[in-house]
Amino acid sequence: EIQLQESGPGLVKPSQSLSLTCSVTGYTITSGSDWSWIRKFPGNKMEWMGYISNSGDTDYNPSLEIRISITRDTSKNQFFLQLNSVTAEDTATYYCARNYFDYWGQGVMVTVSS
Amino acid sequence: DIQMTQSPSSMSVSLGDTVTIICRASQDVGLYVNWFQQKPGKSPRRMIYHTTNLADGVPSRFSGSRSGSDYSLTISSLESEDVADYYCLQYDEYPPTFGSGTKLEIK
Repeated sequence: EIQLQESGPGLVKPSQSLSLTCSVTGYTITSGSDWSWIRKFPGNKMEWMGYISNSGDTDYNPSLEIRISITRDTSKNQFFLQLNSVTAEDTATYYCARNYFDYWGQGVMVTVSS
Repeated sequence: DIQMTQSPSSMSVSLGDTVTIICRASQDVGLYVNWFQQKPGKSPRRMIYHTTNLADGVPSRFSGSRSGSDYSLTISSLESEDVADYYCLQYDEYPPTFGSGTKLEIK
């Protein structure tokens, strides 16, 4: 069974970078699916942030394009989110998911606060 | 970006009710709409994909349909385990965009 698990710090200071890891088991991330990051804000709005394809190409939400980077380590079957220059408005629960949106991680809550 | 206008934002329902949630797309998204269920502290669960297809393990009381730019999720004979938040998602055009969510509560 495919499983995804996010990990990373739950507290980030304003202006710093948010870095999260998504570890995938049960499926090789280079096999044929693409992999997304999605976040859910307090108040329940959900936002697709971007994805990395099975071949390593990326596409980002234009609203985040200047601050976001998604990369991967195929040897560890992991992909990563980096979001730069965070503010309190980036406080959210962050999820990784397969691009068919059929498999999701359990989510990690990240608070941006000094 | 394509807007998915979801209604209602909340519903007070009784067990056994038939419930319909609607998302209206701001432009044509074809059949590229999913529906998700989310319970507190859990990740979203895909219930319906490609507008009408039931995801694996989802009870047959759930169904999806389309009428023009309106996409519907219907739950027949609501059970207690169905009390949750529901979201639509369009993935026809990037960026994929979500509806604002519908919270089901028991009367």
